[in-house]
Amino acid sequence: AQKVTQAQTEISVVEKEDVTLDCVYETRDTTYYLFWYKQPPSGELVFLIRRNSFDEQNEISGRYSWNFQKSTSSFNFTITASQVVDSAVYFCALSEVGRDDKIIFGKGTRLHILP
Amino acid sequence: DTGVSQDPRHKITKRGQNVTFRCDPISEHNRLYWYRQTLGQGPEFLTYFQNEAQLEKSRLLSDRFSAERPKGSFSTLEIQRTEQGDSAMYLCASSFDIRAWHEQYFGPGTRLTVT
Repeated sequence: AQKVTQAQTEISVVEKEDVTLDCVYETRDTTYYLFWYKQPPSGELVFLIRRNSFDEQNEISGRYSWNFQKSTSSFNFTITASQVVDSAVYFCALSEVGRDDKIIFGKGTRLHILP
Repeated sequence: DTGVSQDPRHKITKRGQNVTFRCDPISEHNRLYWYRQTLGQGPEFLTYFQNEAQLEKSRLLSDRFSAERPKGSFSTLEIQRTEQGDSAMYLCASSFDIRAWHEQYFGPGTRLTVT
């Protein structure tokens, strides 16, 4: 069965600190996609990244970086030099390729960036 | 704006009433998904359509819920005899299955409150 676990329910850091959000997933398939979404207080889901299971290269996009490690089934997300605007709920998610493509979400990590 | 739209954005109803939500996908997208997000949880898959055919329904979709996509364009989600446990954000997403990965674009959601 597919499952995504985000063990950190809530994190608070002071602005400009770095913060890492953890994500561990379970799947029986060898081909799958992993995602991170941001949900600000407005409620809309904002897509951040998609990574397929064959690409373990880490990715950096501005202040955001992602560390994908198949050996530990983890897909962690780091925000460098956090800003107040980064305050939101962040969801890690998984989808198996070739079926209905439904996305399985974790429960989310609520991130507070304190000024 | 050519994104996914949902109507209404907010709905307050009394227990026992019926409600209907509408989702308008991106125009060329042939897949349409419904998800439900309760407070403090990640979105959970409810059902999806390929064109007008409803191909999968989650066990979360009780017999009080019905979804349609009559002409393969917009979709409606109806909840009959609403219960307080139905209070949630209902999210719609659409995708186009020509590409290898069917990127899902989420709408802003309909927030339902059952009193």
